[in-house]
Amino acid sequence: DAGVTQSPTHLIKTRGQQVTLRCSPKSGHDTVSWYQQALGQGPQFIFQYYEEEERQRGNFPDRFSGHQFPNYSSELNVNALLLGDSALYLCASSQSGQPTSGFYVVGYTFGSGTRLTVV
Amino acid sequence: EDKVVQSPLSLVVHEGDTVTLNCSYEVTNFRSLLWYKQEKKAPTFLFMLTSSGIEKKSGRLSSILDKKELSSILNITATQTGDSAIYLCAGQNNAGNMLTFGGGTRLMVKP
Repeated sequence: DAGVTQSPTHLIKTRGQQVTLRCSPKSGHDTVSWYQQALGQGPQFIFQYYEEEERQRGNFPDRFSGHQFPNYSSELNVNALLLGDSALYLCASSQSGQPTSGFYVVGYTFGSGTRLTVV
Repeated sequence: EDKVVQSPLSLVVHEGDTVTLNCSYEVTNFRSLLWYKQEKKAPTFLFMLTSSGIEKKSGRLSSILDKKELSSILNITATQTGDSAIYLCAGQNNAGNMLTFGGGTRLMVKP
């Protein structure tokens, strides 16, 4: 299956600790976006990586950082964990292009997520 | 700040009923409206709507975009228990860098 793969599936951390979540994009996709979904809410955009650089960032503090590797896979790092960071973290991969009409991203495909619990 | 609102928050129906889910959006440099179904974890793609007034259909599901009213609806006819899920809509901006999601509609279909 060449879908989006995330690891680990579940994680329990203590307040103040640091965590790294991983994402492998769908085959053929070069762009990775990260979303945080708190219980009972819709996903919220954290940031997007393309060509190993952060292209856009949502309204999240600097404790949230990321990285994209040459093979397009990505990591999300969260430092100094707070109880409020407990959520489902979703990775979405897509393909970016630059047609004459402007830069675009298509084909958002989500992974199954990492459930992070901070205690 | 971009905003997407979905209604109703939750819905309980019986098998065979028809449901209509609503989504309104305020997205700067709007490009498209996407619908996803989320059963357990991974949202799965349903529709992407870019043009106003053109209905997209997939089996019992259909959706349409109204760019004048900044809204979209998702219809499900002859509902089945397998349709029970959270339905998410999201607005995508022109650069496509991010999706702004609504809070979702939780649909429960009873036998």
